[in-house]
Amino acid sequence: AQSVTQLDSQVPVFEEAPVELRCNYSSSVSVYLFWYVQYPNQGLQLLLKYLSGSTLVESINGFEAEFNKSQTSFHLRKPSVHISDTAEYFCAVTHSGGYNKLIFGAGTRLAVHP
Amino acid sequence: NAGVTQTPKFRVLKTGQSMTLLCAQDMNHEYMYWYRQDPGMGLRLIHYSVGEGTTAKGEVPDGYNVSRLKKQNFLLGLESAAPSQTSVYFCATHDRDPGADTQYFGPGTRLTVL
Repeated sequence: AQSVTQLDSQVPVFEEAPVELRCNYSSSVSVYLFWYVQYPNQGLQLLLKYLSGSTLVESINGFEAEFNKSQTSFHLRKPSVHISDTAEYFCAVTHSGGYNKLIFGAGTRLAVHP
Repeated sequence: NAGVTQTPKFRVLKTGQSMTLLCAQDMNHEYMYWYRQDPGMGLRLIHYSVGEGTTAKGEVPDGYNVSRLKKQNFLLGLESAAPSQTSVYFCATHDRDPGADTQYFGPGTRLTVL
């Protein structure tokens, strides 16, 4: 069975500071990994994903995540956050052949303060 | 192009009442899913469908039923609502195009069972 652990439920940070949101997964098969973002009172939006190839993936708004197979991690990073990055972030995992059913972590609430 | 829409956006039920949540998509995706989101637990899969006329159980199916009579619609039913079903419900579809492998989420339905 697959599972996802997001190690921090809340991460407070000041504007323009760097941030890392941690995600570890467990799986006995090859995985696809995702980060979704949820702004207040909205649905989830895909931030970035790892399917294959380069282990470093980037989003259009400056986030990046690195797939580390040996450490079974997919941490999300941004070198300089903005107030508008305040949201809840979810890490999710699935695998090929599993009808793409996503297993989600519990979420990390990122609060960016001025 | 509306993407994934959900009806209603909010609903309050009394224990024992029934209701149906409607998910509609205009992206011609085969796979559709129903998740529930609860604080500190992320999203959990209730039921899913891999095509018109098919449904399958997810992680937390008890107390819910689903139907996929048309490709574009996926209905979630609660026959006898319980307070434990108070949650935010999200519908999602999956783009199976190679290189996409992405789920698209609706805006959610906030359900309160008294």
